[in-house]
Amino acid sequence: SYVLTQPPSVSVAPGQTARITCGGNNIGSKSVHWYQQKPGQAPVLVVYDDSDRPSGIPERFSGSNSGNTATLTISRVEAGDEADYYCQVWDSSSDPSGVFGGGTKLTVL
Amino acid sequence: EVQLVESGGGLIQPGGSLRLSCAASGFTVSSNYMSWVRQAPGKGLEWVSVIYSGGSTYYADSVKGRFTISRDNSKNTLYLQMNSLRAEDTAVYYCASDSSGSPLGYFDYWGQGTLVTVSS
Repeated sequence: SYVLTQPPSVSVAPGQTARITCGGNNIGSKSVHWYQQKPGQAPVLVVYDDSDRPSGIPERFSGSNSGNTATLTISRVEAGDEADYYCQVWDSSSDPSGVFGGGTKLTVL
Repeated sequence: EVQLVESGGGLIQPGGSLRLSCAASGFTVSSNYMSWVRQAPGKGLEWVSVIYSGGSTYYADSVKGRFTISRDNSKNTLYLQMNSLRAEDTAVYYCASDSSGSPLGYFDYWGQGTLVTVSS
């Protein structure tokens, strides 16, 4: 089965740039989606298809995907960005299967 | 406005059965790819199952043969029938909608979740 690997935690000071990685075998050939989840809340889609943003998501959120690593970049980090972030792809090697990364806790110092 | 409202969670003994419901509004369940995603306490997200707009269904290996996803178009509602429940099925269960039109799409709408606790 396909595995996505995220760092457990990332810390950044307000105003700085946070980069959260998602590693997978040849992930660059897949469409990667990113979700933000705050405590006690449902996940929210923040980036889809590697680098597109849903309406209502600030331009500070961006994504890239190449080779074996996808990256979610949050520019000018704010206290309100503190949350868990998950990457997600579909594995279609056999029956379609959704795959989530283990999640990354973003801490704003 | 798109809304997903789950119900049916609760405390159930190991080996028991439970049916979760997800009532949708603002769109037609049968026109989207609909999934169930769960989250064990303090853990990450885990995809459980998907039903395509055409009716095809797929499951995570961890629930295959025990869970069944279905929908009732007349009620615009998604279901998850869970049988032979185990302690490791304890989680908040979210229904999620994919309106991308692609089977490799993204979950752009989520319900608030319903908690299933499997314990004796």
